[in-house]
Amino acid sequence: EAQVTQNPRYLITVTGKKLTVTCSQNMNHEYMSWYRQDPGLGLRQIYYSMNVEVTDKGDVPEGYKVSRKEKRNFPLILESPSPNQTSLYFCASSLSGEQYFGPGTRLTVT
Amino acid sequence: GENVEQHPSTLSVQEGDSAVIKCTYSDSASNYFPWYKQELGKRPQLIIDIRSNVGEKKDQRIAVTLNKTAKHFSLHITETQPEDSAVYFCAATSGTYKYIFGTGTRLKVLA
Repeated sequence: EAQVTQNPRYLITVTGKKLTVTCSQNMNHEYMSWYRQDPGLGLRQIYYSMNVEVTDKGDVPEGYKVSRKEKRNFPLILESPSPNQTSLYFCASSLSGEQYFGPGTRLTVT
Repeated sequence: GENVEQHPSTLSVQEGDSAVIKCTYSDSASNYFPWYKQELGKRPQLIIDIRSNVGEKKDQRIAVTLNKTAKHFSLHITETQPEDSAVYFCAATSGTYKYIFGTGTRLKVLA
């Protein structure tokens, strides 16, 4: 089954404790992206990757890191999470055009 | 920076009526305009998209129109049904694949 998976789905953590949210797709898509969704603000792009080892900043990259060492994986790294990074995070992948979203990761930073 | 404005933020219609959601974009280089539907607690899913070389696209009860001169595109849903109730997002991107989303429209279809 073609899909985008994210782990964990839910995470409660404390300020400053490094964390990684994984994203994996099995559709051989070159393009992958991370978004955060906050009430009233819609989806805001954090980082995107057009292929292995090629990444670029979206609209809200501050406080986040990404890497793309393999085509199927695009992890999101929060080196020192802060409460303002509490949000719903979506990973997405695309071949050309339509983006397929993962199920989301709800992150709470206390 | 680039911006996509979406209106209205909420929209209530009677079942069977039409719904229209409008978006305006700022980056004239934008060439791909998707619309996503997000049901409560679910992930966004593409419902229709349009590229800049096309003025209108239709898929059953859903249509999208694009006015490049005005930098404006709209989603039209006809004969609305309760299952159309959801949050709808427009987006715009150029060949750089940097996506800008609108802030969403919560559509309620009243039975």
